[in-house]
Amino acid sequence: AQSVAQPEDQVNVAEGNPLTVKCTYSVSGNPYLFWYVQYPNRGLQFLLKYITGDNLVKGSYGFEAEFNKSQTSFHLKKPSALVSDSALYFCAVRERSSASKIIFGSGTRLSIRP
Amino acid sequence: EPEVTQTPSHQVTQMGQEVILRCVPISNHLYFYWYRQILGQKVEFLVSFYNNEISEKSEIFDDQFSVERPDGSNFTLKIRSTKLEDSAMYFCASSGHRGGHEQFFGPGTRLTVL
Repeated sequence: AQSVAQPEDQVNVAEGNPLTVKCTYSVSGNPYLFWYVQYPNRGLQFLLKYITGDNLVKGSYGFEAEFNKSQTSFHLKKPSALVSDSALYFCAVRERSSASKIIFGSGTRLSIRP
Repeated sequence: EPEVTQTPSHQVTQMGQEVILRCVPISNHLYFYWYRQILGQKVEFLVSFYNNEISEKSEIFDDQFSVERPDGSNFTLKIRSTKLEDSAMYFCASSGHRGGHEQFFGPGTRLTVL
């Protein structure tokens, strides 16, 4: 069965510093991987995805993520954090054999202090 | 930019009552989904819908739930006899393709069952 783990409930970073939000996954075969962000009282906004090709994918708002097949990880990164990046971040995975079901991680709350 | 919309934003109902949650997916999308997020928990897949039929559903999506696309624009989730444990945020999503394509989420409907 496919699953996603986000080991950190909360990540605290000072503005201007690099940030990393960790994600590991378990699926059979090669996965589709996604990051979504949720602001208070809002829906999920798509940030970026890994389908195939380059292991480093770039997305919205300066975020990027690195796919590491050997470590089954897909960590979200940003070189320089902004206070406005504070939100709830979800890693998600889909098996290629699945029609459509996306499995979400439990979420990591990112807090950027000025 | 096109977006998924959902109505109502908040629905309060009595246990045992029927509710219908409504969604307008992005107009040229073909795949439609419902997810739910119980307060403080992860986002869970409920059902996917394509070509006027359910293509995949989770174990949560039992006989109390149904989905329908009554016209060319709306996509609805019906809960026939609500239970207390149905209280959650319900998200609609749509995508233009299967495969490794992102799903675009609406802002959600908060369902409160009393």
